[in-house]
Amino acid sequence: NAGVMQNPRHLVRRRGQEARLRCSPMKGHSHVYWYRQLPEEGLKFMVYLQKENIIDESGMPKERFSAEFPKEGPSILRIQQVVRGDSAAYFCASSPPGLAGASRKEQFFGPGTRLTVL
Amino acid sequence: AQSVTQLGSHVSVSEGALVLLRCNYSSSVPPYLFWYVQYPNQGLQLLLKYTTGATLVKGINGFEAEFKKSETSFHLTKPSAHMSDAAEYFCAVSEDNAGNMLTFGGGTRLMVKP
Repeated sequence: NAGVMQNPRHLVRRRGQEARLRCSPMKGHSHVYWYRQLPEEGLKFMVYLQKENIIDESGMPKERFSAEFPKEGPSILRIQQVVRGDSAAYFCASSPPGLAGASRKEQFFGPGTRLTVL
Repeated sequence: AQSVTQLGSHVSVSEGALVLLRCNYSSSVPPYLFWYVQYPNQGLQLLLKYTTGATLVKGINGFEAEFKKSETSFHLTKPSAHMSDAAEYFCAVSEDNAGNMLTFGGGTRLMVKP
């Protein structure tokens, strides 16, 4: 059973460009989470999605950032007009379906996408 | 609101020595507690978790942690460090009434000296 897949692993963008980060959850998982890790810091929650629904986006910056998890295909984290401060590692995690007891369930993390903004 | 504090951003031990990584949390309801390990340029791997029941939790690679409600702590220990334990360790908390998100501590980088 393949783990959580993220691509690309490394992404370099110039200021003002768009960054698209992709995440394929583990097979059978329907919950997807995105976290951001700034250098020398812990991970910070950004957004929680289920198929075709954004459940919690309380950690998303108000502008330039968006996320989706369509019925078919991977989850996408999109950053428009990137700035140097967006440089970070972006991790996706997934967990099994079912809302009951969801907070107790292990989240399985992907290897991350390291975004560098020049 | 939930929060996690990891005391000591860097911990250095000798091979074979006891490993103790500290984690204190703040939560308004019974928390669920997790320890993750991150090796360089990799994602996070779950070491162990506490949800309910026994407060001493055993994980992979010989690690264990004890949930102490009175001290709001969930410290990670291993009796004898191995060189392969060198990594970054993150404590995290989640709550039923705070969505499913994990709130992470700042991390502790463990270095193991030969």
